[in-house]
Amino acid sequence: KAGVTQTPRYLIKTRGQQVTLSCSPISGHRSVSWYQQTPGQGLQFLFEYFSETQRNKGNFPGRFSGRQFSNSRSEMNVSTLELGDSALYLCASSPGQFRTDTQYFGPGTRLTVL
Amino acid sequence: AQSVTQLDSQVPVFEEAPVELRCNYSSSVSVYLFWYVQYPNQGLQLLLKYLSGSTLVKGINGFEAEFNKSQTSFHLRKPSVHISDTAEYFCAVSAGNNRKLIWGLGTSLAVNP
Repeated sequence: KAGVTQTPRYLIKTRGQQVTLSCSPISGHRSVSWYQQTPGQGLQFLFEYFSETQRNKGNFPGRFSGRQFSNSRSEMNVSTLELGDSALYLCASSPGQFRTDTQYFGPGTRLTVL
Repeated sequence: AQSVTQLDSQVPVFEEAPVELRCNYSSSVSVYLFWYVQYPNQGLQLLLKYLSGSTLVKGINGFEAEFNKSQTSFHLRKPSVHISDTAEYFCAVSAGNNRKLIWGLGTSLAVNP
């Protein structure tokens, strides 16, 4: 099976712009979670989607949003970019919503905001 | 609220030596515990997880971890490391009914020849 794919892998934007990141989960997986990774804060949970519904949300401002499509692919959007949004954005998929389900991570999208 | 503390930010070790990466957590409810590894420019890969049962958990690449409820710890060990084990290691916890993972800040393992 193909793993989790994320596009694009690298992105450079300027302050004030918006950006959309894409994640394709492992075939058959219905849950997608997003994390932000920075050197200072480490990994922080953004949100989780299951069957096109947001099931869980982290403590990020409303500029961060996401959605999931019927084929389980997910996108996250960041509007009005700030310098502090520079980070590696990781997507993880899992088969269902059980806590015991392993989350499988993609390689990430590295976003640089200038 | 839950939290995870990885006690060492960097661990240098020589090849074929044993290593222990320390992880402590804080939670007032039952937890599931995970160790992930991140190689340079790659995503995170699950090494092992503790859900229930035996407190000694064996994972991939010869790693194992022991869950100690009284000390709220989940330390990762390997008896003999290889150069290829050089990577960032993350401890994570999910607590109560919440599926989201709370992460430690990571331990950078550097294996030297």
